[in-house]
Order: sequence, then structure tokens, then C-alpha cells
Amino acid sequence: ETGVTQSPTHLIKTRGQQVTLRCSSQSGHNTVSWYQQALGQGPQFIFQYYREEENGRGNFPPRFSGLQFPNYSSELNVNALELDDSALYLCASSQSTLNTEAFFGQGTRLTVV
Amino acid sequence: GENVEQHPSTLSVQEGDSAVIKCTYSDSASNYFPWYKQELGKGPQLIIDIRSNVGEKKDQRIAVTLNKTAKHFSLHITETQPEDSAVYFCAAPPLGADNAGNMLTFGGGTRLMVKP
Repeated sequence: ETGVTQSPTHLIKTRGQQVTLRCSSQSGHNTVSWYQQALGQGPQFIFQYYREEENGRGNFPPRFSGLQFPNYSSELNVNALELDDSALYLCASSQSTLNTEAFFGQGTRLTVV
Repeated sequence: GENVEQHPSTLSVQEGDSAVIKCTYSDSASNYFPWYKQELGKGPQLIIDIRSNVGEKKDQRIAVTLNKTAKHFSLHITETQPEDSAVYFCAAPPLGADNAGNMLTFGGGTRLMVKP
């Protein structure tokens, strides 16, 4: 096991709603990234947080936002959900911002109807 | 940004045979190349990685080779077993990111099927 846990495991939301996904990183890991993985595709980088501040962002609109807390937990928030937001959302933690091993959680499967 | 392409998209081998998956990347400054294995219902798990200062790295039945001139790297699995069946992803850090941490650009994935 990676020591990274995500909740919930599955979620169904209606278009236009808002959703919050949660991640608990390994103790001591001050860097967390979020990825979106559509069915049959590789994960796409959404953003990274380092010491509670956004440290980099992929090609995702502002309605995707995040928070990182001092207790190694973090959140991904998505506003105004669209059908195309249906995907597996993965968080990955690592010890620092250097290119170290990233430990992935099992993901949250979000379905937007 | 960084562009990572992965081939083949599916690969079927007989148990005991070798499997090779190849990736190309676009940013010549990239210096870290991990490979992940994703089993059904799970998140990706790092299986091996290589940094740009070496050309090859081995870990038991798994090896990765890197050709920085050609900007490609490959995963080699020898003596394949049914439990190797999974989706494999290569990745590279984004363009211009020196301290990219776990900001990674992933390839499209290869579904490996090992037939008993």
C-alpha cells in the first residue's frame, strides 16, 4: 500500500453541482498533486500544492481549485460540474518538489449525470 | 508543454516471453523518467525510474533504458508472468520544470496482457 488514501471512492453528481474530493498523504510528504484520468487514458496533471500553496497548474480551468492543510490532507474542488468531468481523480504525494517518487492513492471515480 | 507518446497501446505476450514498451518525449531538458503500473481499480504504482545521468537501470525482471539523444526511453520486462498483466504508463516532468516534484506528463498507456 502507498499510504495515500482518497475519499470517497465513488461519487455521482449532477451537472452544475459542486464536488469536493479528499486526499490524505503520507506523513512528512509536503507535496501533493492531483490528476484527472479519463477512461482508457493516462492521468492528466491538474495542479500541485507545496506547503499549502499552489506550486504549478496544468491546463484546467479555474473552476478546478484545491487546498492543502498542515496535517498532510488536501482537497480538490470542482465547481459547475460538466459531463466531461466524469473521470477517475487521483492524488499523489511526494516528499518534496524535487523529482522524487510519487505515491498515488486509489482514486475517486466521479460520474457526472 | 512536454509531450509524451507511448507505444504500443496494447501488447499481448505469452507467459515467459519478454515485453518492451517505448516512449518518446519532447523536452530535451527533462531529467527524470518514471514508469508506473496500474492494476484495475487501483492508482498507478511506481515500478522503476531513471534519471538522465544513466543509460540503463535494472530491478530484477524489469529494466529501463534511456536514449537522451533520441529522446526516448523503454521499459523491458523479462520472463513475463500473468500477474504482470496491467496498464503501464511512462511519464516525464513538464517543460522547463527543474523542481517538478510529482508534476508529471503521462503517456497514453499500454495494456499488457500475459497469456498463461
